Amino acid sequence: QKEVEQNSGPLSVPEGAIASLNCTYSDRVSQSFFWYRQYSGKSPELIMSIYSNGDKEDGRFTAQLNKASQYVSLLIRDSQPSDSATYLCAVNEDGGFKTIFGAGTRLFVKA
Amino acid sequence: SAVISQKPSRDICQRGTSLTIQCQVDSQVTMMFWYRQQPGQSLTLIATANQGSEATYESGFVIDKFPISRPNLTFSTLTVSNMSPEDSSIYLCSVEPRGGATGELFFGEGSRLTVL
Repeated sequence: QKEVEQNSGPLSVPEGAIASLNCTYSDRVSQSFFWYRQYSGKSPELIMSIYSNGDKEDGRFTAQLNKASQYVSLLIRDSQPSDSATYLCAVNEDGGFKTIFGAGTRLFVKA
Repeated sequence: SAVISQKPSRDICQRGTSLTIQCQVDSQVTMMFWYRQQPGQSLTLIATANQGSEATYESGFVIDKFPISRPNLTFSTLTVSNMSPEDSSIYLCSVEPRGGATGELFFGEGSRLTVL
């Protein structure tokens, strides 16, 4: 059974701080990794994708991937109250069409 | 990206009845995916729907309970049959607009079903 593990939280950070969200996955052949943001009552929204080891930055978001450790993380710099949401880590096999989602980490950014 | 419309957005259903959820995409896509998100939980893939072939169901989901149609490259339906309160959930349609090249999924707004 392939799994994606996340700390459910909630993770609470003050406004302006860095929020760090972590994810581990069990399937070594996984090649594509994603972070989705889900506001309460809304559907998931893709915010970051990463395919190779290292860091990928997009605005205030940085995704980090370490395939040897089977570890993916998402850093949110200068956190804003509008970042308060559940963040879902997702993993997809290379060439496969099944995406497995973690349970999500709830983030609260306090003003 | 893709614009995905789902209907109904929410419904309250009686035990033993069936409900069909529609998903319309603004562009042609090879595969469409149906997910379930039970209250307070993450997304679970129900099935993958390809145009012109039978849907592929994940472990724990069967065609008799969740029949899927995919008549063309922009539309799919998911039926939840013989519903019970355990089927109360959000059902989400999603697509991968680039034909599997990236794995990036885009979701419809979801259909929130409550079964009494």
